Order: sequence, then C-alpha cells, then structure tokens
Amino acid sequence: GAGVSQSPSNKVTEKGKDVELRCDPISGHTALYWYRQSLGQGLEFLIYFQGNSAPDKSGLPSDRFSAERTGGSVSTLTIQRTQQEDSAVYLCASSLDGSETQYFGPGTRLLVL
Amino acid sequence: AQKITQTQPGMFVQEKEAVTLDCTYDTSDPSYGLFWYKQPSSGEMIFLIYQGSYDQQNATEGRYSLNFQKARKSANLVISASQLGDSAMYFCAMREGLGGGGATNKLIFGTGTLLAVQP
Repeated sequence: GAGVSQSPSNKVTEKGKDVELRCDPISGHTALYWYRQSLGQGLEFLIYFQGNSAPDKSGLPSDRFSAERTGGSVSTLTIQRTQQEDSAVYLCASSLDGSETQYFGPGTRLLVL
Repeated sequence: AQKITQTQPGMFVQEKEAVTLDCTYDTSDPSYGLFWYKQPSSGEMIFLIYQGSYDQQNATEGRYSLNFQKARKSANLVISASQLGDSAMYFCAMREGLGGGGATNKLIFGTGTLLAVQP
C-alpha cells in the first residue's frame, strides 16, 4: 500500500512569510507525528496526534508553530513568520496506533532566506 | 531523562563483511522500545528493526539483528554480509513506555552513524 506522503517536497520562502506543510499518513493509521531534522539539532520531536487530538505538543519550539489534523487523516504543520533558524527537513510519521512502529514520509525540505 | 548515545560518527566496512553499530540508552522507565532506522542520501527514514524492553530474545530481520544487552543498556545493530546499498546514516531511537492512548509516543533519536560500505 501507499506510504506516508508529504508535500511540498521542497519549499523556499522569505523570512517573515508563513508556510504550510502537509502530511498524508498511511491509511488506517491513527497516530501521526511531526519531527524536525536540522544540522545543529539532529532529529527532534515536534508534536504527536492520536486521531484529531494532540496529547503531546511539547516539542513545538515556539508559538509560531502550530499543527492540526482533520478527519483523523491529513495533518498540516504551519509555521508563521518564518525565521532562518526554521530551515530544516520536516518529517512526518504515522503508526497504526501509538504503540506501533512509526513509518516516515520523505520529508519537506524548508529553506528560509 | 531519556537519552540515546551513538558514539560512532562514521564507520567503514568492506562489502560482504559484518558490521556492528553501537547504541546505548538511558531511561528510568522499565517499559520502552528501541528502534533502528536507516536514512539513505535520499533522506527518507526507513524502519529496520524493533526491540521491546520485555522481549526475551534479540530481534532479527533478515540481515539485521539487534544485540540487546539490557543490563548494559545497549542495543547495537548488527548488519551481516554488508552490501553497497547499506551505505547510509543509521539512527537508533527509543520510545519510553508501551505507547498507545494519551501517552507520549515520541521517539528520541541518537545523533546517527554514517556507514560507508567499500567494494
């Protein structure tokens, strides 16, 4: 079956602009996760969804970051007023439920100029 | 606090030989899961193998096996018969707790080991 998909694959934006990153999890997976991978910080957890609710959003670095999930499926990560330090690869993962293995998408490479 | 340590930034191995990638972890939770992921230059994280803290036997998946030493808090990945396509970054990760429900199911990752397989 289809894996986790993310769009766009690459995004270049100017400092101060808002961006939206999309994640389509594997069909039937109730748990969805966002991570960020950057040279300086490695792989960091951002937020976890179970269904449409987010029991753990402790990894969101600032209030400029928000995420939502609708219909228990697609999730959108929004970064407002982007800064250069937001440049990173944003990875989405999903799992059958919270206790199962997480499968990752190809990521969105964000570059803030 | 939970932590994953991978002390080998890079490793070389000859094709067809076995290689061990080190991973140690720290947690106070008696229930946890350990994972290894492969990240080729294309960037996608590929799941390789999982070991639960209560599993009695070491996990194996094809050419991958996990050398789980609970008392030493180590979970080394062994790749047998290395292939050129094994060249990639390898990440060890841990999830505290058994997961599910409202528990935090986040993965904590190590810094990775870059493996280069030489012909």
